[in-house]
Amino acid sequence: AQSVTQLGSHVSVSEGALVLLRCNYSSSVPPYLFWYVQYPNQGLQLLLKYTSAATLVKGINGFEAEFKKSETSFHLTKPSAHMSDAAEYFCAVTLTSNTGKLIFGQGTTLQVKP
Amino acid sequence: EPEVTQTPSHQVTQMGQEVILRCVPISNHLYFYWYRQILGQKVEFLVSFYNNEISEKSEIFDDQFSVERPDGSNFTLKIRSTKLEDSAMYFCASSVGGTGTDTQYFGPGTRLTVL
Repeated sequence: AQSVTQLGSHVSVSEGALVLLRCNYSSSVPPYLFWYVQYPNQGLQLLLKYTSAATLVKGINGFEAEFKKSETSFHLTKPSAHMSDAAEYFCAVTLTSNTGKLIFGQGTTLQVKP
Repeated sequence: EPEVTQTPSHQVTQMGQEVILRCVPISNHLYFYWYRQILGQKVEFLVSFYNNEISEKSEIFDDQFSVERPDGSNFTLKIRSTKLEDSAMYFCASSVGGTGTDTQYFGPGTRLTVL
């Protein structure tokens, strides 16, 4: 079965430090990949997506992610964390172009310490 | 900026009761979705809807569930006879297109508590 795994349900970084949130997928075909962020009491907001163009994808708020087929990974990074980045982050995939069904990872809560 | 809205934000109901969760998708979007997240678990796809028909549904979406677009703006999820295990956060989403590359825009969710 296709799945998405996010390593680490909680990640804590200091303000100004590198943010790295890990996402691995299992799929028999290269999927389309998404990172969503959820701030408290808000809906999921798209950060960025990979749809088989450039493997390094830049998103909003300074985040980026690199699709690595050989590692079946799509890790999310940001060079310097801000306090406002504290939120829950979800990695998700769609498996083909014919369906919009998103398959989510379990989410990672990012804590940013002053 | 247009956004997806959901009402109510929190619904408490007794087991066996019917509930209707409401969503107003973004006005020019054509594809609509419901997802749910049981506390501590992954966000799970329930159903997608296009042109007044279900286009895809998951195993979770059994006969107890139904969806409807009763007018030009609302999109509803009905649970006919709620069970304790239906307690979850329910998210509505909408998108312009229904392909795997289209961005889905999510509402803030309705927290359903079944007692």
